[in-house]
Amino acid sequence: ETGVTQSPTHLIKTRGQQVTLRCSSQSGHNTVSWYQQALGQGPQFIFQYYREEENGRGNFPPRFSGLQFPNYSSELNVNALELDDSALYLCASSPKTGNYGYTFGSGTRLTVV
Amino acid sequence: EDQVTQSPEALRLQEGESSSLNCSYTVSGLRGLFWYRQDPGKGPEFLFTLYSAGEEKEKERLKATLTKKESFLHITAPKPEDSATYLCAVQAADNYGQNFVFGPGTRLSVLP
Repeated sequence: ETGVTQSPTHLIKTRGQQVTLRCSSQSGHNTVSWYQQALGQGPQFIFQYYREEENGRGNFPPRFSGLQFPNYSSELNVNALELDDSALYLCASSPKTGNYGYTFGSGTRLTVV
Repeated sequence: EDQVTQSPEALRLQEGESSSLNCSYTVSGLRGLFWYRQDPGKGPEFLFTLYSAGEEKEKERLKATLTKKESFLHITAPKPEDSATYLCAVQAADNYGQNFVFGPGTRLSVLP
């Protein structure tokens, strides 16, 4: 059984640039959520995808967008990067929506300079 | 607004010294309360889900309990490998399947 894999592991971008982060969900999982975790804080919900449709969104601006593909992998896109976007971005998958123990990936560490 | 606070912010224990971590929550209706462990540079690792007041779950040296306003994670005779950040999260009943609200975590250090 494969877990959740995220790429890249680390990334440095310049303010104003755009970035795409990728996530392969665990086998058999059709729900993917993205979280932002600033240093020393708990993760904050960005959005969730279920069967290729956005299924909920947290308090993040529209420059944070996403996609889910037919194989249930997912992308997180961030436009017009700001310094405060520097964080660990976590992807989590589950077999369906609901109160299940989601499986998290190891995250992508994004640094905006 | 759903909120989760955790205390203490950091805890340092000697190996074998038992203690408890606290998670206090405010939620319109609780669908589930979750405990995760997070090692530095890694994603959270699922530990427990609790659904109703009075429920308890155990795993090795860890035991989680739930009341209507808070949850405790009891660590019995901890070992250095238990050192990590422990995160508590809630899922609200009116937010079905959509997201967790996490607390800031408790950083646990267990010294040999």
